[in-house]
Amino acid sequence: QKEVEQDPGPLSVPEGAIVSLNCTYSNSAFQYFMWYRQYSRKGPELLMYTYSSGNKEDGRFTAQVDKSSKYISLFIRDSQPSDSATYLCAMSGTGNTPLVFGKGTRLSVIA
Amino acid sequence: ETGVTQTPRHLVMGMTNKKSLKCEQHLGHNAMYWYKQSAKKPLELMFVYSLEERVENNSVPSRFSPECPNSSHLFLHLHTLQPEDSALYLCASSRKKGGSNTEAFFGQGTRLTVV
Repeated sequence: QKEVEQDPGPLSVPEGAIVSLNCTYSNSAFQYFMWYRQYSRKGPELLMYTYSSGNKEDGRFTAQVDKSSKYISLFIRDSQPSDSATYLCAMSGTGNTPLVFGKGTRLSVIA
Repeated sequence: ETGVTQTPRHLVMGMTNKKSLKCEQHLGHNAMYWYKQSAKKPLELMFVYSLEERVENNSVPSRFSPECPNSSHLFLHLHTLQPEDSALYLCASSRKKGGSNTEAFFGQGTRLTVV
């Protein structure tokens, strides 16, 4: 089993839709959870950062972490064409363990 | 602008060339990373430096040689590369807090093409 599983998509939605992106993981030591957005030919950009379980909201974006199920989600409300990008989940634990990334989900929001 | 700067942004090199990628961070972070991103593959961690000491080397071929002279600078020296090494090379930095790595910030990457 891979440490982090993420459906690569591609996912195509109409403008204004609610988008749900998800990752599952197997390592119960993970405590820090991140979502990155990567536009074509650019570096990943940190979108959301969450510690342990719970929800975090920032504008149209909501990140959820359910440590009991080892499942994290990113919701995008009122999606816009400018949200079209690849979204990567990432997580880390303690010690020298660096971030572990999912494969990324490619999202297209159609006007 | 994330505070992590990579140069050059694009590089084309022959298989016999020697070149270096440079990364600089202005965030006061104490851990730096090299990642490789190939088409349709997840990010592959190559090297980790924590407090200027290399703490991880993910079975990367010796034709890639990292250098971290101080906590703000990271280099990746390249020599006798292969065409399959063509990829986007990303530098990232983070801050170790309480024994854990906090969120990482990425540079824009160097698009490397080996001909």
